[in-house]
Amino acid sequence: GIQVEQSPPDLILQEGANSTLRCNFSDSVNNLQWFHQNPWGQLINLFYIPSGTKQNGRLSATTVATERYSLLYISSSQTTDSGVYFCAVSYFGNEKLTFGTGTRLTIIP
Amino acid sequence: DAMVIQNPRYQVTQFGKPVTLSCSQTLNHNVMYWYQQKSSQAPKLLFHYYDKDFNNEADTPDNFQSRRPNTSFCFLDIRSPGLGDAAMYLCATSRDLSGYSYNEQFFGPGTRLTVL
Repeated sequence: GIQVEQSPPDLILQEGANSTLRCNFSDSVNNLQWFHQNPWGQLINLFYIPSGTKQNGRLSATTVATERYSLLYISSSQTTDSGVYFCAVSYFGNEKLTFGTGTRLTIIP
Repeated sequence: DAMVIQNPRYQVTQFGKPVTLSCSQTLNHNVMYWYQQKSSQAPKLLFHYYDKDFNNEADTPDNFQSRRPNTSFCFLDIRSPGLGDAAMYLCATSRDLSGYSYNEQFFGPGTRLTVL
């Protein structure tokens, strides 16, 4: 099956800093989603981005499908950005989401 | 607002006592999923319904069953919970437009199950 790797596994930043999270995948995909799992466990949809670039406020994401990676950018971090960020993909022939191992982001006031 | 709702948010059960978790959605999506997530791990798919068709994952224990009585509701039944079944259970939905791709998934807030 497809392999999904996220880096870094852990990231600790001061409030106001910027960060880049990376997701590498081993095969062509037809779906890529970024999620934020908050401290209460809820998975929040951030982006549906199988290719291209999208922006939503302080967050933006870019997927380069031909090179099999996606990046999530968080600018001017706030404490509420803390949590685990998951990348998940699906591909032709197996449309179920495969999750990466996640990046745990901690924003310090 | 259209959403995915899970009840209860927290469930405590005893070892071996059957428990049912529920999920409802107002998105009118035709695909519904159940995931299990243990501490510090990624969500793991247990099974999903494509319309009324049930699709079980090969490694999902027989202890886990599901029912989907209509488009809006889906239930997860754990027949004899063990200590290892303590986890967060997440319901998700998606809409398949083409009969080919399951598209973007939307998750409910989850039910945290404790087994005593």
